[in-house]
Amino acid sequence: NAGVMQNPRHLVRRRGQEARLRCSPMKGHSHVYWYRQLPEEGLKFMVYLQKENIIDESGMPKERFSAEFPKEGPSILRIQQVVRGDSAAYFCASSRDRNSYEQYFGPGTRLTVT
Amino acid sequence: SQQGEEDPQALSIQEGENATMNCSYKTSINNLQWYRQNSGRGLVHLILIRSNEREKHSGRLRVTLDTSKKSSSLLITASRAADTASYFCATDLNFGNEKLTFGTGTRLTIIP
Repeated sequence: NAGVMQNPRHLVRRRGQEARLRCSPMKGHSHVYWYRQLPEEGLKFMVYLQKENIIDESGMPKERFSAEFPKEGPSILRIQQVVRGDSAAYFCASSRDRNSYEQYFGPGTRLTVT
Repeated sequence: SQQGEEDPQALSIQEGENATMNCSYKTSINNLQWYRQNSGRGLVHLILIRSNEREKHSGRLRVTLDTSKKSSSLLITASRAADTASYFCATDLNFGNEKLTFGTGTRLTIIP
């Protein structure tokens, strides 16, 4: 019973490049959440998606960041023109449905911008 | 201060002792959850307590919730070296939004 999968686990990008982070939810889960964790801090909510729908993107920066969860395939968090301040761990979580309060987290992608 | 603040920020105890961590929050909640994060790893869900519950147990874990004080505590009994990790509380607000709001965490170190 595979858990939430994220890849890559580590990603290094130069300033100005694009970063693409992938998340495959647990089998049977149709809700995906993205969180960002800066060093020595707690996780901050970014976006909540269902298949083909963005439900809540109140935590997403207004520019350069976008997320999708297509009908087929993983959820993608895309960061365009990365800056040093984007360096963080990005975690994806999934849940079965709106009434399942427990979110199951992936191992995270650690993005380093040089 | 933010929704979900843990206290203390760091805690070191001897193996076998009990560890208690506290979490305070600001707004009404639907439920409160505790997660563990080992260094450099993802989060592991420990326990969920709903707003109409006052206490919950799971193995060596005991969680209490006081909605009048907007606070929760996590007690780990008979601590083990493997309990060394950061512990976060996360709140799910009561207007049906499922996004979790995390505190800054308590870093627990168990000394063998």
